[in-house]
Amino acid sequence: GNSVTQMEGPVTLSEEAFLTINCTYTATGYPSLFWYVQYPGEGLQLLLKATKADDKGSNKGFEATYRKETTSFHLEKGSVQVSDSAVYFCALSDYTGNQFYFGTGTSLTVIP
Amino acid sequence: EAGVAQSPRYKIIEKRQSVAFWCNPISGHATLYWYQQILGQGPKLLIQFQNNGVVDDSQLPKDRFSAERLKGVDSTLKIQPAKLEDSAVYLCASSSGDRGNTDTQYFGPGTRLTVL
Repeated sequence: GNSVTQMEGPVTLSEEAFLTINCTYTATGYPSLFWYVQYPGEGLQLLLKATKADDKGSNKGFEATYRKETTSFHLEKGSVQVSDSAVYFCALSDYTGNQFYFGTGTSLTVIP
Repeated sequence: EAGVAQSPRYKIIEKRQSVAFWCNPISGHATLYWYQQILGQGPKLLIQFQNNGVVDDSQLPKDRFSAERLKGVDSTLKIQPAKLEDSAVYLCASSSGDRGNTDTQYFGPGTRLTVL
């Protein structure tokens, strides 16, 4: 079946540190992959997405590359800020678009 | 553009009682989703509507949960009777429905249900 496995948190980093949050998936066919973010007190919102192999999604300095050979979609940012403190969810939509799976979420805290 | 609206924001009930949640999606969005997010877990898809038809409800506990989307716009999710393990945040999301599995979902603020 389809599933998403996400790096467990919480993660605490100093400002300007490099961030990686690992995400791997299991899916039939060619899913689309997403990173959603939930800032404190706010609802889930899309951070970035990639819809086919080797695509790179990017937004707000975050990047993730759809790697079919390793079934991964790791989230990276070169220099985190305090405002990046949030919970990050990796997710996939299966090839039909009728099934959607979230990872368990990774809490990130960035300290000044 | 208004976002996805949900009400109530919070609800506390006793086990075996009934509860209903309401969702109004972004105007023009054909696809509507209901998720259950238990504390410390990622959201789990319960049911997906395309207009007023059900696309998938394989994860919906149909013995106690029901959902409808009359007229293809707003939707209600009901739990009857509630159990302790139903305590969670219930999220509604919508998408345009015209991009298959590449659609971006837009989420509402959620309803936090506590079952005592």
